Amino acid sequence: AQRVTQPEKLLSVFKGAPVELKCNYSYSGSPELFWYVQYSRQRLQLLLRHISRESIKGFTADLNKGETSFHLKKPFAQEEDSAMYYCALSTGGFKTIFGAGTRLFVKA
Amino acid sequence: DVKVTQSSRYLVKRTGEKVFLECVQDMDHENMFWYRQDPGLGLRLIYFSYDVKMKEKGDIPEGYSVSREKKERFSLILESASTNQTSMYLCASSYRGGNTEAFFGQGTRLTVV
Repeated sequence: AQRVTQPEKLLSVFKGAPVELKCNYSYSGSPELFWYVQYSRQRLQLLLRHISRESIKGFTADLNKGETSFHLKKPFAQEEDSAMYYCALSTGGFKTIFGAGTRLFVKA
Repeated sequence: DVKVTQSSRYLVKRTGEKVFLECVQDMDHENMFWYRQDPGLGLRLIYFSYDVKMKEKGDIPEGYSVSREKKERFSLILESASTNQTSMYLCASSYRGGNTEAFFGQGTRLTVV
């Protein structure tokens, strides 16, 4: 079965602290993984995708096929990073499924 | 810029009413999706479509149906609205191959009373 698991519903860190949002997936094929972000009162939008292997707004994510994980990391959190983050899995270019989301709260 | 537009931002309907949620995209995407977004449950896929007149059930299709008569338009239908269908509904679209990034509409907050 295809599944995306985000174990933390809420993550609260202080400004300047490192942050890691966890994501594990279950998929028998070759996965395409994404992180999406939803800021307050804005529509859901792409943050980064594993194929690009780039850093966006200081965030990076590495696909670990052995551990079936795609954790999102940032070394120094900023207040403007406070948002809802969703990990997503695209299956063969058709269906895209999402995890339950993690709300990140960065305290001043 | 890719645009995915949902016809209503807020809707209030009565129990038992037939409800139509409309979504239009302007990027010639093959795939279109309907999700519902609930706190603690994330985005759950209701239905998706990978081509005109094609549809596939997602994880929670019960109580919903869809229609895709034109490539750019994907409609979600609640045949007989119930209070447990009160939710935020998100439409999205994507290419089928290559870059499969999903582009989202602004959402429709549906309240069934």
